[in-house]
Amino acid sequence: EAEVAQSPRYKITEKSQAVAFWCDPISGHATLYWYRQILGQGPELLVQFQDESVVDDSQLPKDRFSAERLKGVDSTLKIQPAELGDSAMYLCASSWWTGDTDTQYFGPGTRLTVL
Amino acid sequence: DAKTTQPNSMESNEEEPVHLPCNHSTISGTDYIHWYRQLPSQGPEYVIHGLTSNVNNRMASLAIAEDRKSSTLILHRATLRDAAVYYCILRRLDQTGANNLFFGTGTRLTVIP
Repeated sequence: EAEVAQSPRYKITEKSQAVAFWCDPISGHATLYWYRQILGQGPELLVQFQDESVVDDSQLPKDRFSAERLKGVDSTLKIQPAELGDSAMYLCASSWWTGDTDTQYFGPGTRLTVL
Repeated sequence: DAKTTQPNSMESNEEEPVHLPCNHSTISGTDYIHWYRQLPSQGPEYVIHGLTSNVNNRMASLAIAEDRKSSTLILHRATLRDAAVYYCILRRLDQTGANNLFFGTGTRLTVIP
Protein backbone atom coordinates (compact mmCIF):
# COMPACT_ATOMS: atom_id res chain seq x y z
CA GLU A 1 0.00 0.00 0.00
CA ALA A 2 1.34 3.44 -0.95
CA GLU A 3 2.45 5.64 1.93
CA VAL A 4 3.45 9.21 2.58
CA ALA A 5 7.18 9.40 3.24
CA GLN A 6 8.81 11.92 5.55
CA SER A 7 12.38 12.54 6.58
CA PRO A 8 14.07 12.84 8.90
CA ARG A 9 12.00 11.02 11.52
CA TYR A 10 13.75 12.84 14.34
CA LYS A 11 15.64 16.13 14.42
CA ILE A 12 17.41 17.80 17.32
CA THR A 13 18.68 21.31 16.78
CA GLU A 14 19.70 24.34 18.75
CA LYS A 15 17.67 27.51 18.73
CA SER A 16 18.53 29.98 15.97
CA GLN A 17 19.59 27.14 13.65
CA ALA A 18 17.83 26.32 10.39
CA VAL A 19 15.97 23.04 9.92
CA ALA A 20 14.24 21.47 6.95
CA PHE A 21 11.75 18.64 6.63
CA TRP A 22 10.95 16.69 3.49
CA CYS A 23 7.72 15.01 2.42
CA ASP A 24 6.95 12.73 -0.53
CA PRO A 25 3.19 12.29 -0.93
CA ILE A 26 1.36 9.33 -2.36
CA SER A 27 1.73 9.29 -6.13
CA GLY A 28 -1.11 11.09 -7.85
CA HIS A 29 -2.25 13.06 -4.81
CA ALA A 30 -2.53 16.67 -5.89
CA THR A 31 -3.21 18.07 -2.43
CA LEU A 32 -0.48 18.18 0.20
CA TYR A 33 -0.71 19.42 3.78
CA TRP A 34 1.79 20.26 6.49
CA TYR A 35 0.58 20.10 10.10
CA ARG A 36 2.21 20.82 13.42
CA GLN A 37 1.26 18.79 16.47
CA ILE A 38 2.29 19.92 19.93
CA LEU A 39 2.40 17.16 22.53
CA GLY A 40 -1.07 16.50 23.95
CA GLN A 41 -2.89 18.45 21.26
CA GLY A 42 -4.41 17.66 17.89
CA PRO A 43 -2.63 18.52 14.64
CA GLU A 44 -2.93 22.10 13.41
CA LEU A 45 -2.76 22.94 9.72
CA LEU A 46 0.22 25.05 8.70
CA VAL A 47 -0.05 25.06 4.92
CA GLN A 48 -2.00 23.41 2.13
CA PHE A 49 -0.82 22.95 -1.46
CA GLN A 50 -2.85 22.14 -4.52
CA ASP A 51 -0.24 20.89 -6.99
CA GLU A 52 2.52 23.52 -6.70
CA SER A 53 0.27 26.36 -5.53
CA VAL A 54 -0.37 27.39 -1.95
CA VAL A 55 -4.08 27.27 -1.18
CA ASP A 56 -3.97 28.13 2.52
CA ASP A 57 -1.00 29.31 4.58
CA SER A 58 -2.94 31.52 6.97
CA GLN A 59 -1.58 29.68 10.03
CA LEU A 60 2.03 29.52 8.83
CA PRO A 61 4.35 31.84 10.83
CA LYS A 62 5.83 33.39 7.73
CA ASP A 63 8.56 35.30 9.52
CA ARG A 64 10.40 32.05 10.15
CA PHE A 65 8.58 29.25 8.32
CA SER A 66 8.55 28.61 4.59
CA ALA A 67 7.14 25.80 2.50
CA GLU A 68 7.50 24.90 -1.13
CA ARG A 69 6.34 22.25 -3.54
CA LEU A 70 8.18 23.29 -6.69
CA LYS A 71 7.14 20.55 -9.12
CA GLY A 72 3.87 19.72 -7.47
CA VAL A 73 5.19 16.46 -6.09
CA ASP A 74 7.42 16.43 -3.01
CA SER A 75 7.57 19.29 -0.55
CA THR A 76 9.95 20.93 1.91
CA LEU A 77 9.08 22.78 5.09
CA LYS A 78 11.81 25.02 6.52
CA ILE A 79 12.21 26.84 9.79
CA GLN A 80 14.81 29.57 10.10
CA PRO A 81 15.67 30.39 12.81
CA ALA A 82 14.25 27.67 15.04
CA GLU A 83 12.88 28.71 18.43
CA LEU A 84 12.26 26.67 21.57
CA GLY A 85 8.51 26.81 20.97
CA ASP A 86 8.89 25.07 17.62
CA SER A 87 9.49 21.73 19.33
CA ALA A 88 6.67 19.55 18.03
CA MET A 89 5.76 16.78 15.60
CA TYR A 90 5.56 17.97 12.00
CA LEU A 91 3.17 15.88 9.94
CA CYS A 92 2.72 15.75 6.20
CA ALA A 93 -0.45 14.45 4.58
CA SER A 94 -1.70 14.06 1.04
CA SER A 95 -5.15 13.51 -0.28
CA TRP A 96 -7.39 12.94 -3.24
CA TRP A 97 -10.87 14.21 -3.61
CA THR A 98 -14.03 12.17 -4.06
CA GLY A 99 -16.79 14.59 -4.90
CA ASP A 100 -17.07 17.20 -2.14
CA THR A 101 -14.66 15.78 0.40
CA ASP A 102 -11.33 14.00 0.67
CA THR A 103 -9.43 11.39 2.61
CA GLN A 104 -6.08 12.39 3.99
CA TYR A 105 -3.17 10.01 4.35
CA PHE A 106 -0.54 11.00 6.90
CA GLY A 107 3.13 10.27 7.04
CA PRO A 108 4.90 9.14 10.21
CA GLY A 109 5.97 12.69 11.05
CA THR A 110 9.21 14.40 11.99
CA ARG A 111 9.70 15.01 15.68
CA LEU A 112 11.63 18.23 16.19
CA THR A 113 13.35 19.10 19.45
CA VAL A 114 14.82 22.57 19.77
CA LEU A 115 17.37 23.00 22.55
CA ASP B 1 -14.75 27.44 11.97
CA ALA B 2 -17.18 24.67 12.81
CA LYS B 3 -15.85 22.79 15.82
CA THR B 4 -16.54 19.51 17.54
CA THR B 5 -16.77 18.48 21.19
CA GLN B 6 -15.58 15.09 22.36
CA PRO B 7 -14.95 13.53 25.78
CA ASN B 8 -11.29 13.68 26.73
CA SER B 9 -11.05 9.98 27.47
CA MET B 10 -12.98 6.71 27.44
CA GLU B 11 -12.28 3.14 28.47
CA SER B 12 -13.52 -0.10 27.03
CA ASN B 13 -12.99 -3.75 27.73
CA GLU B 14 -11.40 -5.80 25.02
CA GLU B 15 -13.83 -7.46 22.59
CA GLU B 16 -16.70 -5.23 23.66
CA PRO B 17 -18.33 -2.55 21.49
CA VAL B 18 -17.25 1.05 21.91
CA HIS B 19 -19.37 4.09 21.19
CA LEU B 20 -17.37 7.31 20.82
CA PRO B 21 -19.60 10.41 20.82
CA CYS B 22 -19.06 13.72 19.07
CA ASN B 23 -21.11 16.90 19.26
CA HIS B 24 -21.05 19.38 16.39
CA SER B 25 -23.97 21.72 17.01
CA THR B 26 -22.71 24.36 14.54
CA ILE B 27 -22.41 21.98 11.61
CA SER B 28 -23.47 23.37 8.26
CA GLY B 29 -25.21 21.57 5.43
CA THR B 30 -21.98 21.15 3.43
CA ASP B 31 -19.84 19.80 6.28
CA TYR B 32 -18.78 16.19 6.08
CA ILE B 33 -18.13 14.39 9.38
CA HIS B 34 -14.77 12.63 9.37
CA TRP B 35 -13.14 10.43 11.98
CA TYR B 36 -9.43 9.86 12.22
CA ARG B 37 -7.44 8.07 14.85
CA GLN B 38 -3.86 8.39 15.96
CA LEU B 39 -2.01 5.48 17.44
CA PRO B 40 0.94 6.22 19.72
CA SER B 41 3.94 7.65 17.87
CA GLN B 42 2.19 7.53 14.50
CA GLY B 43 0.49 9.99 12.18
CA PRO B 44 -3.31 10.07 12.15
CA GLU B 45 -5.13 7.54 10.00
CA TYR B 46 -8.50 7.81 8.35
CA VAL B 47 -11.31 5.79 9.89
CA ILE B 48 -14.60 6.76 8.28
CA HIS B 49 -16.68 9.69 7.06
CA GLY B 50 -20.29 10.54 6.31
CA LEU B 51 -22.65 13.36 5.43
CA THR B 52 -26.19 12.44 6.45
CA SER B 53 -26.66 8.69 6.39
CA ASN B 54 -25.08 6.10 8.66
CA VAL B 55 -21.96 4.53 7.18
CA ASN B 56 -20.18 1.23 7.65
CA ASN B 57 -16.73 0.10 6.61
CA ARG B 58 -14.29 -2.60 7.65
CA MET B 59 -12.96 -0.52 10.52
CA ALA B 60 -16.05 0.99 12.11
CA SER B 61 -19.57 2.34 11.77
CA LEU B 62 -20.65 5.96 11.87
CA ALA B 63 -24.08 6.85 13.22
CA ILE B 64 -25.22 10.39 12.42
CA ALA B 65 -28.10 12.02 14.26
CA GLU B 66 -31.05 13.09 12.18
CA ASP B 67 -30.36 16.79 12.88
CA ARG B 68 -26.63 16.17 12.24
CA LYS B 69 -25.66 17.96 15.43
CA SER B 70 -24.01 14.84 16.81
CA SER B 71 -22.50 11.59 15.64
CA THR B 72 -21.14 8.39 17.14
CA LEU B 73 -18.22 6.28 16.00
CA ILE B 74 -18.85 2.62 16.75
CA LEU B 75 -16.10 0.05 17.07
CA HIS B 76 -17.92 -3.26 17.11
CA ARG B 77 -15.29 -5.27 19.00
CA ALA B 78 -12.50 -3.30 20.59
CA THR B 79 -9.04 -4.79 20.41
CA LEU B 80 -5.85 -3.65 22.08
CA ARG B 81 -4.76 -2.26 18.73
CA ASP B 82 -7.70 0.15 18.82
CA ALA B 83 -6.17 2.07 21.73
CA ALA B 84 -5.62 5.51 20.22
CA VAL B 85 -6.78 9.11 20.17
CA TYR B 86 -9.91 9.43 18.05
CA TYR B 87 -10.63 12.73 16.34
CA CYS B 88 -14.02 13.85 15.07
CA ILE B 89 -13.55 16.47 12.36
CA LEU B 90 -15.82 18.56 10.19
CA ARG B 91 -14.54 18.91 6.64
CA ARG B 92 -15.66 21.82 4.52
CA LEU B 93 -14.35 23.16 1.22
CA ASP B 94 -14.63 26.93 1.19
CA GLN B 95 -14.68 29.27 -1.79
CA THR B 96 -10.90 29.61 -1.91
CA GLY B 97 -10.40 25.87 -2.15
CA ALA B 98 -8.97 25.70 1.35
CA ASN B 99 -9.99 22.76 3.47
CA ASN B 100 -11.02 24.26 6.77
CA LEU B 101 -9.97 21.64 9.26
CA PHE B 102 -9.98 21.50 13.04
CA PHE B 103 -8.77 18.39 14.82
CA GLY B 104 -9.44 19.41 18.41
CA THR B 105 -7.99 17.31 21.22
CA GLY B 106 -9.91 14.13 20.48
CA THR B 107 -10.90 11.23 22.74
CA ARG B 108 -8.20 9.01 24.13
CA LEU B 109 -9.52 5.44 24.08
CA THR B 110 -8.02 2.95 26.51
CA VAL B 111 -8.75 -0.72 25.87
CA ILE B 112 -8.57 -2.93 28.93
CA PRO B 113 -7.49 -6.54 28.38
